[in-house]
Amino acid sequence: DADVTQTPRNRITKTGKRIMLECSQTKGHDRMYWYRQDPGLGLRLIYYSFDVKDINKGEISDGYSVSRQAQAKFSLSLESAIPNQTALYFCATSESGHYEAFFGQGTRLTVV
Amino acid sequence: GNSVTQMEGPVTLSEEAFLTINCTYTATGYPSLFWYVQYPGEGLQLLLKATKADDKGSNKGFEATYRKETTSFHLEKGSVQVSDSAVYFCALRSSNDYKLSFGAGTTVTVRA
Repeated sequence: DADVTQTPRNRITKTGKRIMLECSQTKGHDRMYWYRQDPGLGLRLIYYSFDVKDINKGEISDGYSVSRQAQAKFSLSLESAIPNQTALYFCATSESGHYEAFFGQGTRLTVV
Repeated sequence: GNSVTQMEGPVTLSEEAFLTINCTYTATGYPSLFWYVQYPGEGLQLLLKATKADDKGSNKGFEATYRKETTSFHLEKGSVQVSDSAVYFCALRSSNDYKLSFGAGTTVTVRA
């Protein structure tokens, strides 16, 4: 089983719908992140959390919200999806004091 | 702020050819530098890293040297294989920062 698991792997949704992407990890890491990947732009940080009570905006948080339900779970919500949120979304974890990040397999989201 | 610039792709090579992907960075302080690889349909995984100037990171036949004087961290492999076909991301993390900053990614295709 993967250490960082994202669900769903693929999702097509309509404009204006609310959608939630989920991430769970078995690595025991305290830090979790949500990134989006767009062609030619690399990965951009949406939100990050250093522990259950700590949530922070990244560089592109508008239109998104997150919830850290437990140390192992970090979900990303799009309150009202729009077509330019069509992208590949990655969850990642890291351990405080360590630089390496571990990524999930990604969720491909299409908003039509 | 921090930024990473890497050569544009796509790059197409024949098996056993030499691969170089250029990466330069702008950062405050003393960043750590990384190369991540994304194989088709998978999440990103750490390929190699270097945490201080003149360090050489290496893994799976890939190498990169942290050059502070030229702010570069170019990725090289002497003889590529078809299995090296992937997207390669250069990334940095400053000593006082919380997140990875990624380059746009370079798609590499190796043909038999």
